[in-house]
Amino acid sequence: QVHLVESGGGVVQPGRSLRLSCAASGYTFNSYSMNWLRLAPGKGLEWVTLISHDGIKMFYADSVKGRFTISRDNSKNTLYLHINSLRLEDTAVYYCARYRAGGSFDYWGRGTLVTVSS
Amino acid sequence: SYVLTQPPSVSVTPGETARITCGGNRIGSKGVHWYQHKTGQAPVMVIYDDNDRPSGIPERFSGSNSGNTATLTISGVEAGDEADYYCQVWDSISDHWVFGGGTKLTVL
Repeated sequence: QVHLVESGGGVVQPGRSLRLSCAASGYTFNSYSMNWLRLAPGKGLEWVTLISHDGIKMFYADSVKGRFTISRDNSKNTLYLHINSLRLEDTAVYYCARYRAGGSFDYWGRGTLVTVSS
Repeated sequence: SYVLTQPPSVSVTPGETARITCGGNRIGSKGVHWYQHKTGQAPVMVIYDDNDRPSGIPERFSGSNSGNTATLTISGVEAGDEADYYCQVWDSISDHWVFGGGTKLTVL
């Protein structure tokens, strides 16, 4: 079955960088677009970024554009999120999710926690 | 940007029917998807494209969408249904994927 496992979270100082990873298994990774989403404390789910199945197209939420970069390595079945210039408001659980044509996210990982704190 | 509005909380007793609404401007013209999220777990899609259920989701879960309101209906609510529920659409104007603020379902 589809399995997504995020890693790379931790406690980071404001202004520093971080790279999150998402290992995918149980399906043909290079056939699906992939996403990162996040859940901040006391807030609701927020879509962050999407990358097409072939890695050519990327879309970003306005709140992260210019600081976050999504990428993928289809040879390793792995999705990445590079986060630069971390801010306190980036504190959240970050989830990777598979994109289902039609606009929904059909499988999610359990998430990795990023805490931005001085 | 497109805004989706959900009630912060809904409470029901076991066996009753829970209805969680999601309001948005002409949301009836969009495909609405619903997710269940329990703390510490991966979110789960329970309804996609307004009223379709993924495999493994009980028939107790159903959806509707018309006008300015979409609704997730859970019939015969069980204690295990207690969770946060989010509605979601794709906004074609901004090319962004938008979520409602979430509704906490409490089973009394």
